[in-house]
Amino acid sequence: DGGITQSPKYLFRKEGQNVTLSCEQNLNHDAMYWYRQDPGQGLRLIYYSQIVNDFQKGDIAEGYSVSREKKESFPLTVTSAQKNPTAFYLCASSIDLDTGELFFGEGSRLTVL
Amino acid sequence: GNSVTQMEGPVTLSEEAFLTINCTYTATGYPSLFWYVQYPGEGLQLLLKATKADDKGSNKGFEATYRKETTSFHLEKGSVQVSDSAVYFCALSYPGTYKYIFGTGTRLKVLA
Repeated sequence: DGGITQSPKYLFRKEGQNVTLSCEQNLNHDAMYWYRQDPGQGLRLIYYSQIVNDFQKGDIAEGYSVSREKKESFPLTVTSAQKNPTAFYLCASSIDLDTGELFFGEGSRLTVL
Repeated sequence: GNSVTQMEGPVTLSEEAFLTINCTYTATGYPSLFWYVQYPGEGLQLLLKATKADDKGSNKGFEATYRKETTSFHLEKGSVQVSDSAVYFCALSYPGTYKYIFGTGTRLKVLA
């Protein structure tokens, strides 16, 4: 079945450490996104990518980095510069920017100890 | 700026009750409107959408009508089930852009 796979599902990190969250899709979608979800808030866009080797900052990119070396993969690194990294992270994709519908992975919950 | 406002939750209903979750938006032009659902421990999935005024989106017994005159997209279901317990997000987007605006989500609890 086609879909988006995120890993790990749960991750614990000590302060000062960088961590990388994996996102892989086999939907052949061009566009991919990373969102952050905090309790009582809507989803906030961290980064997005329309095509391979291109990505753009979203609304809350500070302290995060991404790469898009392959169409299927869009990993997110949460760096030690992110002041409040504990959150639920969601990766999504869409066929392109025109279709509107987002397809989401199951999410990764990061906890900083 | 553009925004989406949803009713505060949680909403607690008995099985077979009628559901309404209010959603209003502020936007210029003609955005597309969406309802996404998030089951416990999972990502979001599209429930229904409407792309122009007076369109009605429907899926799994849920319905919502794009009301431009009241800038609303309220979600309704005639008879909820325990399995409908989830968080529901209203959202808007402009075709051809990356920008999605999500509401804060409304948690629905359905009791047997």
